[in-house]
Amino acid sequence: AQKVTQAQTEISVVEKEDVTLDCVYETRDTTYYLFWYKQPPSGELVFLIRRNSFDEQNEISGRYSWNFQKSTSSFNFTITASQVVDSAVYFCALSGGGKLIFGQGTELSVKP
Amino acid sequence: NAGVTQTPKFRILKIGQSMTLQCTQDMNHNYMYWYRQDPGMGLKLIYYSVGAGITDKGEVPNGYNVSRSTTEDFPLRLELAAPSQTSVYFCASIHRGGQSPNTEAFFGQGTRLTVV
Repeated sequence: AQKVTQAQTEISVVEKEDVTLDCVYETRDTTYYLFWYKQPPSGELVFLIRRNSFDEQNEISGRYSWNFQKSTSSFNFTITASQVVDSAVYFCALSGGGKLIFGQGTELSVKP
Repeated sequence: NAGVTQTPKFRILKIGQSMTLQCTQDMNHNYMYWYRQDPGMGLKLIYYSVGAGITDKGEVPNGYNVSRSTTEDFPLRLELAAPSQTSVYFCASIHRGGQSPNTEAFFGQGTRLTVV
C-alpha cells in the first residue's frame, strides 16, 4: 500500500525565516515518483517539483530546495528566506503503479 | 490547449439527487484521476484510470462511479447524493510511459459541490 505522511499540519514563521516541510512516504514499488504541489488561498494546485525514485540528487530552484533520501523514505522541502507570498498549503504526493496519492498537506503561514 | 477542463464549477444538489461531474483533457494523457478535498484537508483519491476502458478504485470510492470510454473524458457519477459528499472535486491527468512522459500532473480548476 502507498502512503504519504506530512506530520506538520500547520507551520507559522516570520518573513525571512527558513522553513522545512517534512514528507515521509511508504511504497512497495521500486520505481515511483514524488511531487510537491502548492495550493494558494485561491484554491488551484501549482506544481513545484517531481523527483524519480532512482534520482536522489537534491535540487535547488531559487529559494526552494528539496532533499530526497530513500534510506529514510523522506522528501523534504525547504523554503529559504520565506516571504508572505509563500503562505499556502503544500502537498507532497507519491505516484507508483497507477495511483497518485497525496499527503494531508501542511499549511504554511508567513507573517510580515 | 485548454488542459484539464471540469464542469460545472459550482453545484448545489439535494439529498438523493444524482449528477455527473465532467472532466475533459485535450493533451492525450493516458492517466486520469478524480479527487475530493474536504475543507482543511488533503486530496483523497476517488477513482483513477490508466487508459481508455480501464478504471480502478482509489482511497474513497464509495458513492461514486466512473467510466473512461475515450482518452479525453473521465466523468464522475454521484448516485444518491449525501451531505457527506459535500466537497471540492478535482480532476487531474498525466502522461506516463512512452517517449514523452510528463513531469507533472495537470489539474482542473475544481468543482465545488454542496449537498443539502
